[in-house]
Amino acid sequence: NAGVTQTPKFRVLKTGQSMTLLCAQDMNHEYMYWYRQDPGMGLRLIHYSVGEGTTAKGEVPDGYNVSRLKKQNFLLGLESAAPSQTSVYFCASRSITDRDIDTQYFGPGTRLTVL
Amino acid sequence: RKEVEQDPGPFNVPEGATVAFNCTYSNSASQSFFWYRQDCRKEPKLLMSVYSSGNEDGRFTAQLNRASQYISLLIRDSKLSDSATYLCVVPRRNQGGKLIFGQGTELSVKP
Repeated sequence: NAGVTQTPKFRVLKTGQSMTLLCAQDMNHEYMYWYRQDPGMGLRLIHYSVGEGTTAKGEVPDGYNVSRLKKQNFLLGLESAAPSQTSVYFCASRSITDRDIDTQYFGPGTRLTVL
Repeated sequence: RKEVEQDPGPFNVPEGATVAFNCTYSNSASQSFFWYRQDCRKEPKLLMSVYSSGNEDGRFTAQLNRASQYISLLIRDSKLSDSATYLCVVPRRNQGGKLIFGQGTELSVKP
């Protein structure tokens, strides 16, 4: 049982390049989330999904797009990377049937640098 | 005012000390709260959940004061391995389980 996995773990981009971050979970969770974490700040929600085929904006969605074509995968896309998107990106998932209702399980993170 | 606020620290304490962190939240309708622990450059992990007045797990005690809208985390008999950043987290109900994170309080336990 791998839990939540993220690929890649590290990436360096040049301004204007595009890339996709992949999050996968094997816990059959309905809800999935993408966060970014910047130095001295807590995690901020970028986009989230409450089920396959559905997505919604979080606090800081600009410059990102997402897709949830399969229940177990949640993709985060950067169409034209900017230095302001240099950050650590965490994916998380949650089941609506969890005993601790709002417990989220996090992936190990992707460290992205945009030059 | 931020939805969730924490003292960023750092808190530098000797082994064996007792240390307490406070967290204030702005939404009086919030029903549950969480403390997550985050080690350097790693993912946050759930430490404790708080649904009523408080929760205790070994050396860790979380207390909730609804009237003043703050949550505290008390760590007794600090260990070197307690060194980490502690995140106060408040879920937004009926919004897809969204979590609002405080900026975190850094704890460093010294020998």
